Amino acid sequence: QLVLTQSPSASASLGASVKLTCTLSSGHSSFAIAWHQQQPEKGPRYLMKLNSDGSHSKGDGIPDRFSGSSSGAERYLTISSLQSEDEADYYCQTWGSGIRVFGGGTKLTVL
Amino acid sequence: QVQLQESGPGLVKPSETLSLTCTVSGGSISSDYWSWIRQPPGKGLEWIGYIYYSGSTNYNPSLTSRVTMSIDASKNQFSLKLSSVTAADTAVYYCARDQGTVLSPWGQGTLVTVSS
Repeated sequence: QLVLTQSPSASASLGASVKLTCTLSSGHSSFAIAWHQQQPEKGPRYLMKLNSDGSHSKGDGIPDRFSGSSSGAERYLTISSLQSEDEADYYCQTWGSGIRVFGGGTKLTVL
Repeated sequence: QVQLQESGPGLVKPSETLSLTCTVSGGSISSDYWSWIRQPPGKGLEWIGYIYYSGSTNYNPSLTSRVTMSIDASKNQFSLKLSSVTAADTAVYYCARDQGTVLSPWGQGTLVTVSS
C-alpha cells in the first residue's frame, strides 16, 4: 500500500535552515513526490516535484531558499534562511495506480 | 496563468448530496486531469478523486460509492457530487489541476458544513 509518512511537527529559528522528511512506504522507494505548502488560513501551494535521484523542478515563483533532495525511500524539503512567512504546514504528495496520496503533513514553527 | 475557483452551498443537511463546482480560468479545461481534495477542520488533506477532460474518472476507494464527478468543457467547469453526507464530510473542499502527478495550481477552497 502506497503510504507517505511525515513527522507531525518541526521547529527552527528565524534565519536558520530546516530539513523536513517524507518517507515512502516499503516497495515504493523509486517514486517521485511533490511538496506543497499551506500557510495559515490559506489553500495549499505547490512547491516542487522531487524525483528519487534528488532532481527537482519548482513551481513558478518559489524562492531559491526551497530545495529538495532524496535518499532511498526518504524525500526531503530543505528551507534555508527561514522567514516568518515560512511558518506553515508542509504536505508531501505522490501518485500511483491512478490514485493520489498525501502525507499527514508537518507543521513548521519558526521561532 | 490557470486559476481555479470553487463554488457551492456552504451548508448541507445530513443524508443529502453535497454539490460543488470548480470554474477554471486562464486556460482550457480540455487537457490534463482535474482533482478534488478536502480537508476536515484541523486535519490533513484527503484526495477525493479526479476527472480527465475526456470524462473518465478515478476516485478514492474509501469514497467511491458516494462520489460522482462530471465535466462541462463548454463552461470550463468540473463538478463534484458527494451523496449521503454526514458530519464527517464537513471540510474545506479544494479543486486543483492534476497534471497526472503533481497538483497545481489549487483553488482557494470552500468550507462545506454538514448540519441540520
